[in-house]
Amino acid sequence: GENVEQHPSTLSVQEGDSAVIKCTYSDSASNYFPWYKQELGKGPQLIIDIRSNVGEKKDQRIAVTLNKTAKHFSLHITETQPEDSAVYFCAASSDTGRRALTFGSGTRLQVQP
Amino acid sequence: NAGVTQTPKFQVLKTGQSMTLQCAQDMNHNSMYWYRQDPGMGLRLIYYSASEGTTDKGEVPNGYNVSRLNKREFSLRLESAAPSQTSVYFCASKSGRGTDTQYFGPGTRLTVL
Repeated sequence: GENVEQHPSTLSVQEGDSAVIKCTYSDSASNYFPWYKQELGKGPQLIIDIRSNVGEKKDQRIAVTLNKTAKHFSLHITETQPEDSAVYFCAASSDTGRRALTFGSGTRLQVQP
Repeated sequence: NAGVTQTPKFQVLKTGQSMTLQCAQDMNHNSMYWYRQDPGMGLRLIYYSASEGTTDKGEVPNGYNVSRLNKREFSLRLESAAPSQTSVYFCASKSGRGTDTQYFGPGTRLTVL
């Protein structure tokens, strides 16, 4: 089955700096890669996603890049703000089998004001 | 439009007790999922239902049963709770019609003593 590894487990940045979180996946059949943000006491919320036919996608201060050959994808947050502080999860799924998400272990991002 | 709702929010059980976690979605989604979240391990799939009337095992199904009662509702049952089932449980749903986005509920925090 799919295995998704996520690094780092914790990340502390100063307000206004950029933050980068990286994930690798094992199943070459995976073709959908979402990123979720989870605030304390709440369920994960989708912030951006990318399909394997696209190398990069941006949405305001958030971007995701995908390298299919190397089987890794990254989340980039620019001009970080204190409200970006949360736990971020990457995930992967394919169009075959369960079509369910396999999640990384999460990154706790702390933006220092 | 409430999205995905879960009840209860919190529950404390004694070892051996049984209980059912309820999940409902009002988005007319075909697919529904149950995940558990443990510290440092991300979310792991327990069971899923690709459509009304079907259920399948995920990564960690042992000790759980599910019922897809109708298109809206997907319940998770613990027949004989064990301390290892202490976790936060999330329900999610997905349209299944040309989109991969999963929407998560707020979670149920379960403690088994």
